[in-house]
Amino acid sequence: QVDLQESGPTLVKPSQTLSLTCTVSGGSINSGAYSWSWIRQAPGKGLEWIGCIYYTGITYDNPSLKSRVSLSVDISKNQISLRLASVTAADTAEYYCVRGGLWFGDFGAAFDIWGRGTMVTVSS
Amino acid sequence: IVLTQSPGTLSLSPGERATLSCRASQTVYSNYLAWYQQKPGQAPRLLIYGVSSRATGIPARFSGSGSGTDFTLTISEVEPDDFAVYYCQQFGSAPFTFGPGTKVDF
Repeated sequence: QVDLQESGPTLVKPSQTLSLTCTVSGGSINSGAYSWSWIRQAPGKGLEWIGCIYYTGITYDNPSLKSRVSLSVDISKNQISLRLASVTAADTAEYYCVRGGLWFGDFGAAFDIWGRGTMVTVSS
Repeated sequence: IVLTQSPGTLSLSPGERATLSCRASQTVYSNYLAWYQQKPGQAPRLLIYGVSSRATGIPARFSGSGSGTDFTLTISEVEPDDFAVYYCQQFGSAPFTFGPGTKVDF
């Protein structure tokens, strides 16, 4: 059974870079089928897809985040990482690591497995 | 693709039928449309993918339908555990997008 666990700082200062890691257990991130996504939810708000990465390095990200997103995979550690640069208070949110987005490198995978999420607050 | 959901809030009693609507600003590629349920303090849970396929472990009272730009999630007889927020989402083209959600409450 695949399980996802997010980790990283819970408080980030404005203008700094938010860095989160997702550790995947119970399955390999390079199994070939799915990509791995980050999705966030500001307090009391809806869901926003941030981006996804396939184990081969294929990435897609949300243009609304204006190229502030960097995604990477570490196959040896079975981890996916998110870096979001130049954060502001608007980036305060629950951040979820999620399986889905791409299916064998192409579109077509719903978000079927979610981590428990980690709350990140941007404040000085 | 912008997704619009209606109504914003649906007030029902247990045993009633729930009909939730999701409309896309353009055709959803290959009907790659999903529905999620989210309860307070929890991560969303996948209910329906590919418009009408139930995810593993999802009860048969949940069903999805539609095509193109108009989609519907139906809960045949709402149970107390079903009171939550429901989101539709398209995964046929990037950026993947979610609707604003429909809250189902008492």
